[in-house]
Amino acid sequence: DTAVSQTPKYLVTQMGNDKSIKCEQNLGHDTMYWYKQDSKKFLKIMFSYNNKELIINETVPNRFSPKSPDKAHLNLHINSLELGDSAVYFCASSQDKGPPLLREQYFGPGTRLTVT
Amino acid sequence: RKEVEQDPGPFNVPEGATVAFNCTYSNSASQSFFWYRQDCRKEPKLLMSVYSSGNEDGRFTAQLNRASQYISLLIRDSKLSDSATYLCVLSLPRDSNYQLIWGAGTKLIIKP
Repeated sequence: DTAVSQTPKYLVTQMGNDKSIKCEQNLGHDTMYWYKQDSKKFLKIMFSYNNKELIINETVPNRFSPKSPDKAHLNLHINSLELGDSAVYFCASSQDKGPPLLREQYFGPGTRLTVT
Repeated sequence: RKEVEQDPGPFNVPEGATVAFNCTYSNSASQSFFWYRQDCRKEPKLLMSVYSSGNEDGRFTAQLNRASQYISLLIRDSKLSDSATYLCVLSLPRDSNYQLIWGAGTKLIIKP
């Protein structure tokens, strides 16, 4: 029973292509996130959705477009891929209610994107 | 100054030893604090939240010092399986919500 799942796990593609990464959580959480972890291991938030509504949109190129068809899914589409997009992309979810200290984030296994 | 700073390490520690590392933060409005653990090529997982009065979970002790703006993690009787990167995370109020800020992590290697 995977709590947060992502597909694909590995993605190798050429510059200029368009690709999508899918994320699903079965925890009943109302908030989902996309993070990027680059080669320096720095985890940076890209987007956050609460009940299908975008609540955080960090400074991310317009080539990145998240889509949340329902509370349990948050997909990431990337247009015109660039070399600098190579990174590990993590999806996460949390329950955005209750004391802040209890809002644990659960992460998916990550998608390792390599742009050549 | 970065919002969250951690010594990247690696800390090379013999099995059984006690190790501690800190995480400093710059924004005094930071509300909540966490330690996450990330194994090599895996996703981060919550290790423990950090309470104002400090808290302990088995061999792990977390402390918060608001005056000096840092949190700490102490690991006693370290095990080989403790080898991982430890990420410091804090939450900042943002509009009507909050935002999580992640440190770059401290790498810990436990040697037999």
